[in-house]
Amino acid sequence: GEDVEQSLFLSVREGDSSVINCTYTDSSSTYLYWYKQEPGAGLQLLTYIFSNMDMKQDQRLTVLLNKKDKHLSLRIADTQTGDSAIYFCAESIRAGANNLFFGTGTRLTVIP
Amino acid sequence: SAVISQKPSRDICQRGTSLTIQCQVDSQVTMMFWYRQQPGQSLTLIATANQGSEATYESGFVIDKFPISRPNLTFSTLTVSNMSPEDSSIYLCSVGGGLAEQFFGPGTRLTVL
Repeated sequence: GEDVEQSLFLSVREGDSSVINCTYTDSSSTYLYWYKQEPGAGLQLLTYIFSNMDMKQDQRLTVLLNKKDKHLSLRIADTQTGDSAIYFCAESIRAGANNLFFGTGTRLTVIP
Repeated sequence: SAVISQKPSRDICQRGTSLTIQCQVDSQVTMMFWYRQQPGQSLTLIATANQGSEATYESGFVIDKFPISRPNLTFSTLTVSNMSPEDSSIYLCSVGGGLAEQFFGPGTRLTVL
C-alpha cells in the first residue's frame, strides 16, 4: 500500500529558509500535495505538483520533486512566525477528485 | 476554490450515542470524501461518497459504524454511530476542484466521554 513519510519536527529562525521533506513509495503517484494545518484549523492547500514536473515555484514556496528517489520537498523562503504550523504532504494516484494518502505531518516552529 | 462548511464545528458526546456531521459545498461536485484525523495523527480516508450511489468504504471502516448520505451534489452527512472514546477525532470532508485540487472543510472536532 501507499506509505508517505515525513520527519516530525523542524525548527527554524525567522527570516531563514525552511525545507520540509517527504518520501513516498507509490511510483504511480500522479499528483503530490502540500497542505498546511494551523492549530485548531482545517487543512489549507498550499500547492501541488504533477508527477512529470521536477519543480514548481509559487511566491515564497518552492516544491522539488525527485521522482527517481520518490522524494518531495517544500522550501519556504524568508520563513515568518505565521508559517508555524503542521505541514502534510499527500499523494494521489489518479488525476481528478480522488482520495489522498497523507504523510505523518511535520510540525514547523519558527523562532522569532 | 470550493468553499466547504461543516456542522457542528465541535461536539462533546456520551459513549453509546451517535452524531451526524454535515458537509455543505458552495458548488456541485461529483465526489465527496470523509477523512478522520485522530489526535496527533495524520489523516485517514474513511469513505468516498458519490451522489446517487452507495458510499465506498476504506479498509477498517464499515457502513454500520459510519453511515453516509449524499442526497445531492452539494451536501453530504457522516454519522458516527455508537460512539466510544476511540472515536474522538477531527472529521473532515473534502472535495475535488479543477484538475487536481483537493479542498478540505474546517473539520468537526469530536470528543467522546
